[in-house]
Amino acid sequence: SAVISQKPSRDICQRGTSLTIQCQVDSQVTMMFWYRQQPGQSLTLIATANQGSEATYESGFVIDKFPISRPNLTFSTLTVSNMSPEDSSIYLCSVDRGLREFFGPGTRLTVL
Amino acid sequence: TQLLEQSPQFLSIQEGENLTVYCNSSSVFSSLQWYRQEPGEGPVLLVTVVTGGEVKKLKRLTFQFGDARKDSSLHITAAQPGDTGLYLCAALRNSGGYQKVTFGTGTKLQVIP
Repeated sequence: SAVISQKPSRDICQRGTSLTIQCQVDSQVTMMFWYRQQPGQSLTLIATANQGSEATYESGFVIDKFPISRPNLTFSTLTVSNMSPEDSSIYLCSVDRGLREFFGPGTRLTVL
Repeated sequence: TQLLEQSPQFLSIQEGENLTVYCNSSSVFSSLQWYRQEPGEGPVLLVTVVTGGEVKKLKRLTFQFGDARKDSSLHITAAQPGDTGLYLCAALRNSGGYQKVTFGTGTKLQVIP
């Protein structure tokens, strides 16, 4: 299994500002994943973060808007830049263990 | 892009009733998973089905993988308020040497005491 924590758990931000979300895992992992879950909807993969290399972004997501850091094998950050109300979502990180994926509790972001 | 459509999108039932949630796609999958997500938490894996026609039971939950491995269903018997949550099917796909998860559209279940 994997125990994953995220900070902050929630935040309310002003339009045009940026927020960095932290994800900490209790063990070393090669890949970490970042998802967005818009209100009442399913999860959409934003990017895959591999330690020591640039993150790989899914279609519709770009590095300038969602820069990701992966400084070591237990930690990653996702920044939501130049926020607008449309960025209001839950942001989740996850790691995989074989065929099983473990998720953090999520960060609930509201942009005014 | 694989599209996993779930139905129904919303379901509100009385405690003790039975229900079935469906997950459909035009693509064939090597395996399919079901997750449950409760408010304020991340999704938690319930089951993985791998073989076409496979049926797995988890207490009052029965999961089935279609013979053609394009669809799956989740049946809950005698639903309880603790079953309330967002149910997500998900497919694994190989990408760049590792597995990525694509989630279905989700089914929000409310069980009323």
